[in-house]
Amino acid sequence: EAGVAQSPRYKIIEKRQSVAFWCNPISGHATLYWYQQILGQGPKLLIQFQNNGVVDDSQLPKDRFSAERLKGVDSTLKIQPAKLEDSAVYLCASSPSGANYGYTFGSGTRLTVV
Amino acid sequence: GESVGLHLPTLSVQEGDNSIINCAYSNSASDYFIWYKQESGKGPQFIIDIRSNMDKRQGQRVTVLLNKTVKHLSLQIAATQPGDSAVYFCAEVDSGGGADGLTFGKGTHLIIQP
Repeated sequence: EAGVAQSPRYKIIEKRQSVAFWCNPISGHATLYWYQQILGQGPKLLIQFQNNGVVDDSQLPKDRFSAERLKGVDSTLKIQPAKLEDSAVYLCASSPSGANYGYTFGSGTRLTVV
Repeated sequence: GESVGLHLPTLSVQEGDNSIINCAYSNSASDYFIWYKQESGKGPQFIIDIRSNMDKRQGQRVTVLLNKTVKHLSLQIAATQPGDSAVYFCAEVDSGGGADGLTFGKGTHLIIQP
């Protein structure tokens, strides 16, 4: 079974620029999550999708972050404009249908904002 | 908001010894707990999980203990090997509702001494 695919692996941008990350979950997984992991900390949930609907985006900084999962498969996370404090690894995870079925994480995209 | 915390940022053990990594959680509604291993440049990898109706669960060389009275979780790794070197996170979730994203702690860096 193929894992959760994320791209790009690394990205360096200047502050105030925009950036987008892409995630392709495991085939058939209905639930998709985006996490932000700042260096030295545990991942923090940004947004959860169930198919193409948002279940939880309470921790997403909506003034600059947006995410979509239009067809209920792939997802993109965008930051515009980026700030220095957005430097982190952005992890995508998927699950067949939530906690009762486990989660699989991708390797993440490491973002550096300079 | 609630968060899961870990007691030690770094744990150094001799190869072949047993390791114990501790975690305290604060959300009494959490009913599902997972231990993850994260190696440099990779996403969190599932190790073992436990539900709140259990107090102990064993896997291959790993055991998770849950004490709901004091909201404490521990991971025991038997006969630690060099490949066990990584950062370990505990995570919790309230799986009862639709929003079931994980809440992670900061992590414990396990270092294996030869």
